[in-house]
Amino acid sequence: GESVGLHLPTLSVQEGDNSIINCAYSNSASDYFIWYKQESGKGPQFIIDIRSNMDKRQGQRVTVLLNKTVKHLSLQIAATQPGDSAVYFCAENTGFQKLVFGTGTRLLVSP
Amino acid sequence: DSGVTQTPKHLITATGQRVTLRCSPRSGDLSVYWYQQSLDQGLQFLIQYYNGEERAKGNILERFSAQQFPDLHSELNLSSLELGDSALYFCASSVVGQLEGANVLTFGAGSRLTVL
Repeated sequence: GESVGLHLPTLSVQEGDNSIINCAYSNSASDYFIWYKQESGKGPQFIIDIRSNMDKRQGQRVTVLLNKTVKHLSLQIAATQPGDSAVYFCAENTGFQKLVFGTGTRLLVSP
Repeated sequence: DSGVTQTPKHLITATGQRVTLRCSPRSGDLSVYWYQQSLDQGLQFLIQYYNGEERAKGNILERFSAQQFPDLHSELNLSSLELGDSALYFCASSVVGQLEGANVLTFGAGSRLTVL
């Protein structure tokens, strides 16, 4: 399930920094959004979700912000750790019974 | 371990051949989804089954087909393979048929297909 080799934008940060990963979604009718993390050798794993009637949701070290006006989603990771290194995907539920995934961002965390 | 099992993990075959990828969903999940992840396309939805019946279709080629069996495992059949079919194929499962609210997909580790 590795994602190495994907032609993705990359965000490089130092350990302890805060990371912000951005995503633009396409469908203004999308009512639900999810962030997934894909580590090398694994399938995508759920991180956090947000419904369209919210603009912010916090989890453990992660915060998702939703701006419906400009169809933008962001994932903030506080105190980034080397174990956070992975590819991050946003996904939107377009209302047609399937998730549409963004292209993904590779996060590289240096110690 | 996500609870979703995919086999084989790796598969190398030649153009024109046919392969079958297998997925066992997480215990209790009735719905199975197939996704393709290639270098230039990211994660593309192929098809969804719910309790044995096709529920939704995405960008699945006519050379590809899938089914979900009474024991809820699913198979994705890829035929007349082309070089461009080389990709990671992921299966995901969820409890109910419709993706809604807190209904979250659980992904398997994927099957890497290489067509030579």
